[in-house]
Amino acid sequence: DQQVKQNSPSLSVQEGRISILNCDYTNSMFDYFLWYKKYPAEGPTFLISISSIKDKNEDGRFTVFLNKSAKHLSLHIVPSQPGDSAVYFCAAYDSGGSNYKLTFGKGTLLTVNP
Amino acid sequence: DAGVTQSPTHLIKTRGQQVTLRCSPKSGHDTVSWYQQALGQGPQFIFQYYEEEERQRGNFPDRFSGHQFPNYSSELNVNALLLGDSALYLCASSLRGMGEQFFGPGTRLTVL
Repeated sequence: DQQVKQNSPSLSVQEGRISILNCDYTNSMFDYFLWYKKYPAEGPTFLISISSIKDKNEDGRFTVFLNKSAKHLSLHIVPSQPGDSAVYFCAAYDSGGSNYKLTFGKGTLLTVNP
Repeated sequence: DAGVTQSPTHLIKTRGQQVTLRCSPKSGHDTVSWYQQALGQGPQFIFQYYEEEERQRGNFPDRFSGHQFPNYSSELNVNALLLGDSALYLCASSLRGMGEQFFGPGTRLTVL
């Protein structure tokens, strides 16, 4: 039972254009969402997060949008740069109760072409 | 400011053996979580340690056990290794287990 889904295994964009990575979740208890970037032979690096009380969070070139009714979030990267080429993981978290684990999607490989 | 460190980087074992992986959390963090990442998958939660106790456990068998030391560092032990245990093992640290978790570079375990 995959509670966090990233349905696009890969995405290719041109340098300077917008990259949009999508993520869907099924567990309505999730109220905190994170995006991580992972280069080969390295651990995931935290990028940006959003709480369910917001529908948008922006940090430089990265913006995360949350649509709670659709249980959908997306990460926008503008403008995309070749150094952004990596695997991007969406993760979700239930901040209530005694649950502390992050639930991850399978990831999307982003390739930004020069 | 040191980030999360893990050792060793790579490890090769044979079926039935036991392995111990080590993790030091980011400075100022007191909680360590362990994740297993199989090829082509996202990280899967194994367990979390806080105040030297296992606070939450994922869907992993008892062959997976851990420990947290007073300095907040942690070990992951896997007994009776199976071929399916081959994966990247990631350690993540946080403050009281809340919010963003910061990951180490991982230990690549290969079971032959």
